Amino acid sequence: AQTVTQSQPEMSVQEAETVTLSCTYDTSESDYYLFWYKQPPSRQMILVIRQEAYKQQNATENRFSVNFQKAAKSFSLKISDSQLGDAAMYFCAYTASGGSNYKLTFGKGTLLTVNP
Amino acid sequence: KAGVTQTPRYLIKTRGQQVTLSCSPISGHRSVSWYQQTPGQGLQFLFEYFSETQRNKGNFPGRFSGRQFSNSRSEMNVSTLELGDSALYLCASSLGPGQLNEKLFFGSGTQLSVL
Repeated sequence: AQTVTQSQPEMSVQEAETVTLSCTYDTSESDYYLFWYKQPPSRQMILVIRQEAYKQQNATENRFSVNFQKAAKSFSLKISDSQLGDAAMYFCAYTASGGSNYKLTFGKGTLLTVNP
Repeated sequence: KAGVTQTPRYLIKTRGQQVTLSCSPISGHRSVSWYQQTPGQGLQFLFEYFSETQRNKGNFPGRFSGRQFSNSRSEMNVSTLELGDSALYLCASSLGPGQLNEKLFFGSGTQLSVL
């Protein structure tokens, strides 16, 4: 079974600084998708960034970028120039590309605090 | 365009009762999936519907069921509620299988408390 592990229950960062959130996963599949979702106090899960496993190039979305290491099964999220609005729970998620693309396996989450 | 709408926002029930939660997907989206979020177990996949058919089901007992209507709106039902069913239930919608660069869009959830 696929598993996703986020080893940092909590992280904090100073406003305007950079922070990296860690995620490792376990799968026997060769093709899959990885995601980072953000859940603010409003509870709505918001997609931050998505990575296809077959793409070697790391995904980027404005201040958010990933370091995808397929051999090591590692998928970390880097947030640059952190803003107060970045404070939230961050979840790493995985889904195999075959079959349903919507059966996401989530990590336990990392609570990010941004200090002014 | 309106986002994914889940109703009600909060719900309080007692053990043994049943409950129905509703999810209206983004207009044009035909796939709906459901997740349960608890502090202990985290986020767990419940089931997924596309074109009124259940395509995938998570590892939950038969007390958890769902359906999808022709307008893509979905409901999930939990019968004979247990204390452990207290959770945030999240619904997500997407265009449907085979869509390029498919993305899931989540609602704000229904917070269910079982007393």
